[in-house]
Amino acid sequence: GNSVTQMEGPVTLSEEAFLTINCTYTATGYPSLFWYVQYPGEGLQLLLKATKADDKGSNKGFEATYRKETTSFHLEKGSVQVSDSAVYFCALRPSQGAQKLVFGQGTRLTINP
Amino acid sequence: GAGVSQTPSNKVTEKGKYVELRCDPISGHTALYWYRQSLGQGPEFLIYFQGTGAADDSGLPNDRFFAVRPEGSVSTLKIQRTERGDSAVYLCASSLILGGTSGSSYNEQFFGPGTRLTVL
Repeated sequence: GNSVTQMEGPVTLSEEAFLTINCTYTATGYPSLFWYVQYPGEGLQLLLKATKADDKGSNKGFEATYRKETTSFHLEKGSVQVSDSAVYFCALRPSQGAQKLVFGQGTRLTINP
Repeated sequence: GAGVSQTPSNKVTEKGKYVELRCDPISGHTALYWYRQSLGQGPEFLIYFQGTGAADDSGLPNDRFFAVRPEGSVSTLKIQRTERGDSAVYLCASSLILGGTSGSSYNEQFFGPGTRLTVL
């Protein structure tokens, strides 16, 4: 089946620290991979995506590289800000034409000034 | 423009009651999705519509759950004989029409704020 596993949170960092949130997946075929973010009081928003192996998605200083050999899509940011505090969800879209998303359990990130 | 809206934002009901949750997608979006998010978990897929028809309802947990989209816009998720385990945030998302015949393209799903359902 299809599943996504994220590192457990919560994660607390100081401003300007380096961030990594691990994500690994299990899927048949070649899924597309996503990171969604949920800021306090807001709905889920797409942060970045990658549709094939070795693709790198990037947005707002965040990056993630689709690694087929390790079935991973780790989220990274070189210098986090207080405004990055949110819950981050890794997700996949199974191949074979499926449109539904399969999400990980989410990682709550808190950035302290 | 307006995003996906969901009503009500909160719903408290008693075990055994019937509830309806409404989703208004972004205007022009032909695909609509329902997900359920339990506390501390990621969203779980329930059903998705392409136009008026349910293209994939494989995530509906049992026959107490039903969703409709009669005119290809607003959708209603209906839960009969609610149980305490149904308590969750119900999320709706919409996207533009799927591209191509293979379904291989992806159109971003835009999520609403959710309806928090509490079954006492």
